[in-house]
Amino acid sequence: QKEVEQDPGPLSVPEGAIVSLNCTYSNSAFQYFMWYRQYSRKGPELLMYTYSSGNKEDGRFTAQVDKSSKYISLFIRDSQPSDSATYLCAMSERSGGYQKVTFGTGTKLQVIP
Amino acid sequence: SAVISQKPSRDICQRGTSLTIQCQVDSQVTMMFWYRQQPGQSLTLIATANQGSEATYESGFVIDKFPISRPNLTFSTLTVSNMSPEDSSIYLCSVEVQRQRNTEAFFGQGTRLTVV
Repeated sequence: QKEVEQDPGPLSVPEGAIVSLNCTYSNSAFQYFMWYRQYSRKGPELLMYTYSSGNKEDGRFTAQVDKSSKYISLFIRDSQPSDSATYLCAMSERSGGYQKVTFGTGTKLQVIP
Repeated sequence: SAVISQKPSRDICQRGTSLTIQCQVDSQVTMMFWYRQQPGQSLTLIATANQGSEATYESGFVIDKFPISRPNLTFSTLTVSNMSPEDSSIYLCSVEVQRQRNTEAFFGQGTRLTVV
């Protein structure tokens, strides 16, 4: 079993739709939970991070963490074509003096105008 | 934040040859990380590189295949040695910046390697 599971998609939605992206994990040592966005031919860029259960909102994006269920989500409201990208969930734990990050496989999202 | 310049951005190489990827950061960082991103798979950590010490490799990766240099606090190189088509992948350099309540990872643009 992988430490982090993420549905690879692709996920195709119409513009304006609410998008829900999800990951599950098995490692209870994970402390930080992150979502990265990766456009084609680019490196991943951090969208949101959180370290506790609950919701965190930033503009059209809401990150949700449920540590008891080992489940995290990213919601995108009023999705735009510019949101079309691959979204990677990531989780980190302290290991040997640094935060060791484990990534999901990424979900490819396409927002259709 | 940290700005990372990685080069080359892409290359097509013959099997059996080696390619060295360079990673330059605009600020001094203690640790640098090298990842591999294969199609349809998650980013996989190859090794961590501290300045002035040997890199630490993850399970499944060895120094002979992926030698790493870290001559100073802003620069690192990863060499993919004796390449085979299975090494075709995106290689990414990353650094961590400590924030008040978390550590944020920044990534370079990646090097898209194709081995023929």
